[in-house]
Amino acid sequence: IAGITQAPTSQILAAGRRMTLRCTQDMRHNAMYWYRQDLGLGLRLIHYSNTAGTTGKGEVPDGYSVSRANTDDFPLTLASAVPSQTSVYFCASSVDGNTEAFFGQGTRLTVV
Amino acid sequence: GNSVTQMEGPVTLSEEAFLTINCTYTATGYPSLFWYVQYPGEGLQLLLKATKADDKGSNKGFEATYRKETTSFHLEKGSVQVSDSAVYFCALRTGSARQLTFGSGTQLTVLP
Repeated sequence: IAGITQAPTSQILAAGRRMTLRCTQDMRHNAMYWYRQDLGLGLRLIHYSNTAGTTGKGEVPDGYSVSRANTDDFPLTLASAVPSQTSVYFCASSVDGNTEAFFGQGTRLTVV
Repeated sequence: GNSVTQMEGPVTLSEEAFLTINCTYTATGYPSLFWYVQYPGEGLQLLLKATKADDKGSNKGFEATYRKETTSFHLEKGSVQVSDSAVYFCALRTGSARQLTFGSGTQLTVLP
């Protein structure tokens, strides 16, 4: 079934540890995005990539990094996790920057 | 910059009641407007969209009209069902920013 796959589904992480959230899409979409969802704040964009080989910073990029080595994969890395990064993380993709976005199921991350 | 303001929730209705969730926006240029729905434990799904002024988006009995004069995109449904219980997000995208900007979300609970 075509779509976006995120892994892991959930994770408890010790503060200071490094963590990579994985995101893979098989729709050959050019654009991909990482959002975090926090109660009362909606979804906020962390990083985005309009096409393979390029990335950009969103609204809340600090403490996160991304790479886009190919069209399908867009991993999000927390270099040294902090409790304020406890959140639900959603990966999304779209054909381009002007069309609807499709979302993954999310990764629930708890930093303790 | 771009911003989306949604009616604060939570909203609780009885089955078959009329639903309105207000959404207003601030944007540079001429945005496309979206409503996304998030069912419990799932990612976001596109519910409907409108790409220019006076367009009406509709899906599953939900409707929203793009009102440029009032910068609004209110979501309505004439008769809600228990299965409509979810979180609803209003969002916009402009050609220059290309990324989605979300409102804070409105939790809807429909009681039988």
